[in-house]
Order: sequence, then structure tokens, then C-alpha cells
Amino acid sequence: AQSVTQPDIHITVSEGASLELRCNYSYGATPYLFWYVQSPGQGLQLLLKYFSGDTLVQGIKGFEAEFKRSQSSFNLRKPSVHWSDAAEYFCAVGPNTGNQFYFGTGTSLTVIP
Amino acid sequence: GAGVSQSPSNKVTEKGKDVELRCDPISGHTALYWYRQSLGQGLEFLIYFQGNSAPDKSGLPSDRFSAERTGGSVSTLTIQRTQQEDSAVYLCASSTRFSSGAYNEQFFGPGTRLTVL
Repeated sequence: AQSVTQPDIHITVSEGASLELRCNYSYGATPYLFWYVQSPGQGLQLLLKYFSGDTLVQGIKGFEAEFKRSQSSFNLRKPSVHWSDAAEYFCAVGPNTGNQFYFGTGTSLTVIP
Repeated sequence: GAGVSQSPSNKVTEKGKDVELRCDPISGHTALYWYRQSLGQGLEFLIYFQGNSAPDKSGLPSDRFSAERTGGSVSTLTIQRTQQEDSAVYLCASSTRFSSGAYNEQFFGPGTRLTVL
């Protein structure tokens, strides 16, 4: 069965530090992969997505993610975190056929000055 | 253009009452999803609509939950005889579909926060 694991429930980083949020998935074929961000009281906003091609994808707000098939991972990175990046981050897998998307349980990011 | 809208933004109800939550997807998006997000939890899939096809109801937690989508556009999620454990944020999302059958990214509404007293 398909699933998504975000091992880190909560991460705290200093402003200006680098960030990596982990995401591992279980899926039989090449998945469609997404990272979303949710600010308090808001819906989810897409940061970036991977369907095929270059395994390093660039997104909005300076985020990037790398698809590693051998590790079944799609980790999100940012070289320098800003205070406004404090939010909840969700990794998701979408099938290349079928209906259902699978979301991880999220990683809460706190940014300290 | 307009994004996904949901109403009401907040709903407080008493245990045992019925509630209706509305979702207005992006125009032209054929797929519509409902999710439930409980405090500190990820997104729990509830139901999915694609065009005029029969909905995928596999995520509905009980027969108290139902949803419909009229005219392939607006959707209403109904919870009958609400229970305190139904308290959560209910999110709606819509998306387009590739010719391959796969789905593009989902666009989410701001959610409806339901509180059952």
C-alpha cells in the first residue's frame, strides 16, 4: 500500500540556517511527489512537485527538493531559512494512475531569531 | 483567478446536530477532494469526485458522513448527528487531470473549522 512518512514531527532552526525536511514514500511505481506548506489558519499551498525528469526540482520561496529513487525519498531543502518560513510542511504522493493522494503527517517548523 | 472557496470558515454546533460544509472548486477542475485534518494530524482522505463518475467514498469514516457534488462543480459535505470526535478542520481541494489519467497538483481551500460541543 502507498504511504508517506515524515520522520520529524517538529524541527527548530535558527533564522539564516539551512533546512532539510525528510520525506520517505512507499509506492510501487514512479510516484508523483509534492511538498505543501500550511501556515496557521490557512489551507495548503504547493511549494513544488516532481513528475519526471530532473530529480532536483525548484519551487517557490527558495525551496528545492531532490527525488532519490534508491532511497524512496523526496527531501525538502532551503539554504537559508527566513522567519516567515515557520509553518507546517506536508509531503504527498500522488499516483500516476488512480485517485488517491497520500499525505504525510507533517513537520512543524519553528524559526528562532 | 479565484481559488477554491469553502464556507463557512468556522462552524460551532451541538452534539447530535447535522452540519453542511460547502466547497466551491476552481472552475474547470474536474476532480474534487475532501479531507479532514485533526489537531496535530495529517490529512485524512474522505471522498473524491471526478467529473460525472461515481465518487470514491472509501475514506468516509462512518455512514453519518456523506457528500454530493452538483453539476460537476460545488460540493457539500454533510455530517449527520455530529459527535465531538468530528471536531476538525475540513479541507476541500480541486485539481485537473492529465490525459494519462494522473492528477495534477491539488489546490486547497482555506478549510472549515468544525467544533462540536
